[in-house]
Amino acid sequence: AQKITQTQPGMFVQEKEAVTLDCTYDTSDPSYGLFWYKQPSSGEMIFLIYQGSYDQQNATEGRYSLNFQKARKSANLVISASQLGDSAMYFCAMREKKSGNQFYFGTGTSLTVIP
Amino acid sequence: DAMVIQNPRYQVTQFGKPVTLSCSQTLNHNVMYWYQQKSSQAPKLLFHYYDKDFNNEADTPDNFQSRRPNTSFCFLDIRSPGLGDAAMYLCATSREVRISEKLFFGSGTQLSVL
Repeated sequence: AQKITQTQPGMFVQEKEAVTLDCTYDTSDPSYGLFWYKQPSSGEMIFLIYQGSYDQQNATEGRYSLNFQKARKSANLVISASQLGDSAMYFCAMREKKSGNQFYFGTGTSLTVIP
Repeated sequence: DAMVIQNPRYQVTQFGKPVTLSCSQTLNHNVMYWYQQKSSQAPKLLFHYYDKDFNNEADTPDNFQSRRPNTSFCFLDIRSPGLGDAAMYLCATSREVRISEKLFFGSGTQLSVL
């Protein structure tokens, strides 16, 4: 079974609008962390935001927020006020306590911001 | 700035000709990883080092080897590259093995096999 599922291969958003990128995960481990990374065409993976499984509040980092719905096992990324520079691939990832060093990545969502 | 540096950015090799990719870090992190990423796919973990302890993923081909001579440097050796090994190779680090520890990535090396 897929650990991380991203069902949107490609998304478009108008500049200055908000966009939600979907991510669902599968784990039986009560201790886990969820991450979002951005990968521009240059190739480097850039960390955006982290949510721990025991965190009560949704994580926020500037224009990025994570909509964490634990019962639904979803961890959607919300980007507010989209900018042209937000055009990139976005990967959702999970790290479980029991799996140690293994980061499970989703297949990514390609976001294009339209002027 | 502390960072993860990969060299070269682009590497072209011939079918069957050994190639080495390098990664260095100034973060003094304990853990270093090598990922393979093919076009439009998720990064796939090949192996990692916790300090000097090497950990190979079960499905990593024997063709791929790694060395970590010191904390700062880690190398990926592909002994006999095949056409299927053409990919982006990403080096990453993390301070520790904890669920909250994020990965810091280098810019990657794009490997082409002719």
